[in-house]
Order: sequence, then structure tokens, then C-alpha cells
Amino acid sequence: GEDVEQSLFLSVREGDSSVINCTYTDSSSTYLYWYKQEPGAGLQLLTYIFSNMDMKQDQRLTVLLNKKDKHLSLRIADTQTGDSAIYFCAEALRRGNTPLVFGKGTRLSVIA
Amino acid sequence: GAVVSQHPSWVICKSGTSVKIECRSLDFQATTMFWYRQFPKQSLMLMATSNEGSKATYEQGVEKDKFLINHASLTLSTLTVTSAHPEDSSFYICSARVVASGRGDTQYFGPGTRLTVL
Repeated sequence: GEDVEQSLFLSVREGDSSVINCTYTDSSSTYLYWYKQEPGAGLQLLTYIFSNMDMKQDQRLTVLLNKKDKHLSLRIADTQTGDSAIYFCAEALRRGNTPLVFGKGTRLSVIA
Repeated sequence: GAVVSQHPSWVICKSGTSVKIECRSLDFQATTMFWYRQFPKQSLMLMATSNEGSKATYEQGVEKDKFLINHASLTLSTLTVTSAHPEDSSFYICSARVVASGRGDTQYFGPGTRLTVL
């Protein structure tokens, strides 16, 4: 079956880089996503990567994908207090009309 | 990006009453929407898949008679919590599926509805 795992907590100092890790089990994943959830809000799509890519950079965000190890990471450069939130990774499976499979989320706390 | 709205954003009701939550795709059509439930400090729990023009598909353990889903148009899905009880208090989030060229099968989320049952 499919399963997505993330560490639950991460704490960093303002200005440092944050790296949030995710592992998944289903090798049929087509796209992988990172979502951000701020307190009391819905999920905001941050970025995504196609399964045949190794890296994607979007301003302060860098996504690395190791398909062999089924490992996905999100690096946030120059982390700010506004980056404090829960970050979910999710995978889209090759089977049609199925919802994304989400991890449990990593709570990022940024210390000023 | 695609915008999904939910209404109401929060609701407080008495035990035994029914509450309807609306999920709308504002600038696109969504044949498939999803309803999630999220408890404090926990992850999303998929409740059901809402398909336009057909019956919803419920996840195991979710009572279909308790959580009624209607997807009558390509831009609106509703979730009705019938005879709500305090244990139904939660944050309910909907999402709409968008299949776009180059980014595959993406879900865009509404802002969520916080339901408190007294």
C-alpha cells in the first residue's frame, strides 16, 4: 500500500535554512507535492516536482527527489518567522481518480 | 492558481442540529472534490470523494448517512453533518482536483470550516 512518512517537528533559527524530509513507499508516484498549512487555514500548494526530475528550485524553495530511495526533501533558504507552519508532502499515484496521499505533516517553528 | 472557497468559515451549533458546508471552485470546474477532516495538531483524514453527478465514495469508517455529500454542479460540493454531536466538532477542509498540463493531478484546498457542536 501507499504510505508517506515525515518527521513531526523541526525548529530552526531565523535566517538559517530549513530542510524538511519525506519518504514514500509507492514507486508508481507521478508527481510529488509540498503544501503549507498556517494555523486555522487550509492547505496552500507550495511547489511540486515530477517524478523524473531530481531537483526543482523556486525562489527560496528547493525540492530534491531521490527516486531510488523514495526520498523527497524541501529546503527553505533564509527561513523567516512567517515560514512557521505545518508542511505536508503528498504523492499522486499513477492510478486515476484517486486523491493525493498525504504525510502527517512537519510542524516548522522558526525562532527569532 | 485555482481558487477554492468554503462557507461558512466557522459555525457553532447545538447538538442534534444539521450543518451544511459548501465548497466552491471559483475559477474552474471540478468534476472531483474531496472532503477531509482534521483534528487539532493532526494530519488530514480523507472522508470521501465527491464526484459530480454521481454518488460520493466514502472512506472506510465514515458514515454516509451521517455525512451527506452532494456534488450537483461542476463548481459546488456540499457536506451536511446530520444530527451533529460534540464528537463531530472538527476542522473540515475540501479540495478540488485539477489536472493541468505539466503538473499532473493537483489538489487545491479551501480555507476550511471549523465546526463546534455544543
